[in-house]
Amino acid sequence: DSGVTQTPKHLITATGQRVTLRCSPRSGDLSVYWYQQSLDQGLQFLIHYYNGEERAKGNILERFSAQQFPDLHSELNLSSLELGDSALYFCASSYESSYNEQFFGPGTRLTVL
Amino acid sequence: AQSVTQLGSHVSVSEGALVLLRCNYSSSVPPYLFWYVQYPNQGLQLLLKYTTGATLVKGINGFEAEFKKSETSFHLTKPSAHMSDAAEYFCAVSDGSGTASKLTFGTGTRLQVTL
Repeated sequence: DSGVTQTPKHLITATGQRVTLRCSPRSGDLSVYWYQQSLDQGLQFLIHYYNGEERAKGNILERFSAQQFPDLHSELNLSSLELGDSALYFCASSYESSYNEQFFGPGTRLTVL
Repeated sequence: AQSVTQLGSHVSVSEGALVLLRCNYSSSVPPYLFWYVQYPNQGLQLLLKYTTGATLVKGINGFEAEFKKSETSFHLTKPSAHMSDAAEYFCAVSDGSGTASKLTFGTGTRLQVTL
């Protein structure tokens, strides 16, 4: 158990819908990262928040957005969903410095029908 | 820009045999390197990491990796494979740029362990 929690574990929805994925980092960790894992794209970095502020963006679509709240939990919002958005979405957390490893949550499997 | 290349998407070894999973990286700055393991339907678990210092890094479950700057490699090894090692392994690189870093992953290597 990494100490990072993600809810829900599974999510099945239809095209055009909007969903919210939630992540709680390890106690004391200030950074939250979101990654997408799909068969065709592999593991891709989406976005990084540090202590409530956005720090880096990767290959994140404009239909996707995220935020980190004062209690440090984070939410990833996916809207106007398409079939191709079906993937595993991981959240990871780390304390502060980049050389500290990132601890991954169990992921949310999103299926868009 | 950083990148990671994992040679071999599938590797099969016999139980008790040497495990060697290859990883080459590209980075314009001194890299921080990581190996993660993913078991079916689970998240990623850190096996080991290299930041600075000793180039031979020991991790969990008997795995180790050696950072070779001249070869831009960070291959993962284990002297004797066990059935429980069957999983997908990912090599990753971070640019170490303070609090705004991210991990760039390789495409993964699926390790199969046979009797």
